[in-house]
Amino acid sequence: QKEVEQDPGPLSVPEGAIVSLNCTYSNSAFQYFMWYRQYSRKGPELLMYTYSSGNKEDGRFTAQVDKSSKYISLFIRDSQPSDSATYLCAMSGNSYGNNRLAFGKGNQVVVIP
Amino acid sequence: NAGVTQTPKFQVLKTGQSMTLQCAQDMNHNSMYWYRQDPGMGLRLIYYSASEGTTDKGEVPNGYNVSRLNKREFSLRLESAAPSQTSVYFCASSEVGTGRFFFGPGTRLTVT
Repeated sequence: QKEVEQDPGPLSVPEGAIVSLNCTYSNSAFQYFMWYRQYSRKGPELLMYTYSSGNKEDGRFTAQVDKSSKYISLFIRDSQPSDSATYLCAMSGNSYGNNRLAFGKGNQVVVIP
Repeated sequence: NAGVTQTPKFQVLKTGQSMTLQCAQDMNHNSMYWYRQDPGMGLRLIYYSASEGTTDKGEVPNGYNVSRLNKREFSLRLESAAPSQTSVYFCASSEVGTGRFFFGPGTRLTVT
């Protein structure tokens, strides 16, 4: 079983819809959870960061972590064409970051005007 | 504050040629990393450096070497390029205390 599972299937939504993305993981030591956004031919950009369980909101973006279920989610409200990108979940077990950032394979999201 | 910078942006090599990818960060981070990204494979760790003067192998180190030149700079060298090394290479650094990673813009390498 891979440490982080993220269904890589592309997701197409109409502008204004809510986008829902999720990842599951197997390593209970993970406590730092991140979502990265990657535009085509660009580097991953840190979008959301959460420590331990709970919700975090930043504008149209909400990240949720449920450590008991080993499940994390990203919601994008009122989606815009500029949100079209690949979204990668990532997580680590310590704040030192040494070697232990595990990634999902990414979800390609297309927001149709 | 440029964050993480990488050079070159693009490179085409013939099989057997060598090259060095350069990376620098201006965030005073101790740890730096090299990843490769391939379709369907996601991001895979090649090498990392927990601090100046130390380097360790990641998931896919074969065919690569690294040098942590100082706290700012971490280079990746391909001694004898192979077509299997065609990929996009990302350098990253991480922030102590939060575990947040920051990535560079990438180097797109093609080996023919």
